[in-house]
Amino acid sequence: AQSVAQPEDQVNVAEGNPLTVKCTYSVSGNPYLFWYVQYPNRGLQFLLKYITGDNLVKGSYGFEAEFNKSQTSFHLKKPSALVSDSALYFCAVTYSGDSSYKLIFGSGTRLLVRP
Amino acid sequence: KAGVTQTPRYLIKTRGQQVTLSCSPISGHRSVSWYQQTPGQGLQFLFEYFSETQRNKGNFPGRFSGRQFSNSRSEMNVSTLELGDSALYLCASSLETSGQGGTGELFFGEGSRLTVL
Repeated sequence: AQSVAQPEDQVNVAEGNPLTVKCTYSVSGNPYLFWYVQYPNRGLQFLLKYITGDNLVKGSYGFEAEFNKSQTSFHLKKPSALVSDSALYFCAVTYSGDSSYKLIFGSGTRLLVRP
Repeated sequence: KAGVTQTPRYLIKTRGQQVTLSCSPISGHRSVSWYQQTPGQGLQFLFEYFSETQRNKGNFPGRFSGRQFSNSRSEMNVSTLELGDSALYLCASSLETSGQGGTGELFFGEGSRLTVL
C-alpha cells in the first residue's frame, strides 16, 4: 500500500537560515511526488513535483526538493527562510500505475519561522 | 482565470441530516477530486471524477457520494451525518492532458467547513 511519512510535526527555524522539511514514501511503482502548502483557513497550494528526470526539483517561492530513490525520500528545502513561509506543509504521493488523481498525503509539518 | 470555487464555505448541520457540497473547477479542467481534512485523520482522499465518471474512490462509507456534471462541476453528498463527519472538505481540479494521468498539479478550492452538532 502507498504511504507517506512526515516524521516532524513541527519545524522551527530562524529567518534567514536554511530549512528542511522531511518526507519519506512507500509506493509499489514509480512514484510521483508532490509538495503542497496550506495557510490558515485556506486550501492547499502546489509548490513542486517530481515525476521523472532530474532528482533536484525547483518550485515556487524559492523552494526545492531532492528525490532520493535509495532512501525513498523527497525532502523539501529552502536556502533562506522567510517569516512568511510559516505554514503547514504536506508531502503527497501517487504512482505511475494509477492514472487518476488519488494523492496520498502525509500528516503535515508545521513550519514556524521566527524573526 | 478564476480558481476553484466551493460552496458553501461554512455550514452547520445536525446528526442524521444530509448535506450537499458544490465545486466549480477551473475552466477547462475535467478532473475533480475531493478530500476530507480533519485534525485527527489529516487529508484523506474521497473520490475523483473525470468526464462525469468516477475513476477512483477512497475508503469511506457509502454515505459519502459524489457526481460530476457535463460542465465538470461536481457535487458531493453526505447522508445521515455523524459527528465524525465534521471536517474541512476540499475540492481540487486538474488539467489532464493525454497520457499524463496523475502527474498534474492539483488546484484546490478554499474548502467547505462542515460542523455536525
